[in-house]
Amino acid sequence: AQKITQTQPGMFVQEKEAVTLDCTYDTSDQSYGLFWYKQPSSGEMIFLIYQGSYDEQNATEGRYSLNFQKARKSANLVISASQLGDSAMYFCAMREGGRSNYQLIWGAGTKLIIKP
Amino acid sequence: DGGITQSPKYLFRKEGQNVTLSCEQNLNHDAMYWYRQDPGQGLRLIYYSQIVNDFQKGDIAEGYSVSREKKESFPLTVTSAQKNPTAFYLCASSSGPYGSPLHFGNGTRLTVT
Repeated sequence: AQKITQTQPGMFVQEKEAVTLDCTYDTSDQSYGLFWYKQPSSGEMIFLIYQGSYDEQNATEGRYSLNFQKARKSANLVISASQLGDSAMYFCAMREGGRSNYQLIWGAGTKLIIKP
Repeated sequence: DGGITQSPKYLFRKEGQNVTLSCEQNLNHDAMYWYRQDPGQGLRLIYYSQIVNDFQKGDIAEGYSVSREKKESFPLTVTSAQKNPTAFYLCASSSGPYGSPLHFGNGTRLTVT
């Protein structure tokens, strides 16, 4: 079974609109972390935001925020006031288990295109 | 500026040849990782290393080998045993497990013909 599901293979959004990228996850662990990364066409992976399973507040980093709904096992990325430079692939990833776990489980990604 | 350097950016090899991809970091991170990315897919873990002289297999280690002789360096060798080596390879590092984000290099695109 997929542990990280990103249901939107591609999205077109008008510049300056807000964007929500979906991510649902599956884990039986109580302790886990969720990450979002951006991959522009140049190929590098850029870390955007992190949410721990015990964090009470939704994470925010500038124009990025994470809509964390633990009971629904969803961790959607919200980008406010989208810009042309936001066009990229976006990946959701999860790290399960205890503090000794180094491995990330990745979703298949969502391709976001911002229209001028 | 600290970061991760992968070289070369593009690499072409003939089938049957081993090839080594370089990854160097100056972030003083203990953990390093190699991922493979195929079109339309997420990242798949090949190998990772938590400390010098130690490394663990990831999900798709067959046909690959690594070494970690120095904290800064984690080279990946794609051997002739790897059935489908053409892919985009990403190296990453982190300061630790759990909540520590991965920092990535710019990747190496390997084409084997």
